[in-house]
Amino acid sequence: QVQLVQSGPEVKKPGASVKVSCKASGYDFLNYGISWVRQAPGQGLEWMAWINPYQGNRNTAQKFQGRVTMTTDTSTSTVYMELQSLASDDTAVYYCARDPYRHDSWGQGTLVTVSS
Amino acid sequence: QSALTQPPSASGSPGQSVTISCSGTRSDVGGSNSVSWYQQHPGKAPKLIIYEVTRRPSGVPDRFSGSKSGNTASLTVSGLQAEDEAAYYCSAFAGSNNPVFGGGTELTVL
Repeated sequence: QVQLVQSGPEVKKPGASVKVSCKASGYDFLNYGISWVRQAPGQGLEWMAWINPYQGNRNTAQKFQGRVTMTTDTSTSTVYMELQSLASDDTAVYYCARDPYRHDSWGQGTLVTVSS
Repeated sequence: QSALTQPPSASGSPGQSVTISCSGTRSDVGGSNSVSWYQQHPGKAPKLIIYEVTRRPSGVPDRFSGSKSGNTASLTVSGLQAEDEAAYYCSAFAGSNNPVFGGGTELTVL
């Protein structure tokens, strides 16, 4: 079955960067894009960016342009999302999800806490 | 890209039906067949329950149905059950080639 497994929780200081991984299994990794979606405590879902692992093209929400970098490792079917220049309001659970048109399968989420 | 507009809360008694709206523009909901709905229980990842406006993934009960009229999409939950109490989010694939989410609706089963 389709599965997305994310890396563990992170605690970072303001100004630092965080890199979250999302390992896919159970389907052809190159056939589906991967979105990154975050959820601040008590808040709704916020789409950040998506990447097409086959072509390598990316789309990033205007709010995160210049701060988000996504890479893929096709040998391990893993997508990485790095968020730079962290601030306290970046504290959130970060999810990866398959297929930006449907988001039909989600990772378990990675809590990123930004605190001095 | 602005978030889609959902009511913050909705409620109904067991067995009743509840409809949650999701309002957007011609550039997102109105112009897209890629309208989806997600259910999220506290502390859990969202789960896709409706895609392409009306379609249900395998395993989702037919009590959940989706529709769209103009720039507004709707999710109807029929025969409410206690386990339906959750947050519900809509999303649409916008003309900017990016997805946009609604603010979410907390559904309470009375």
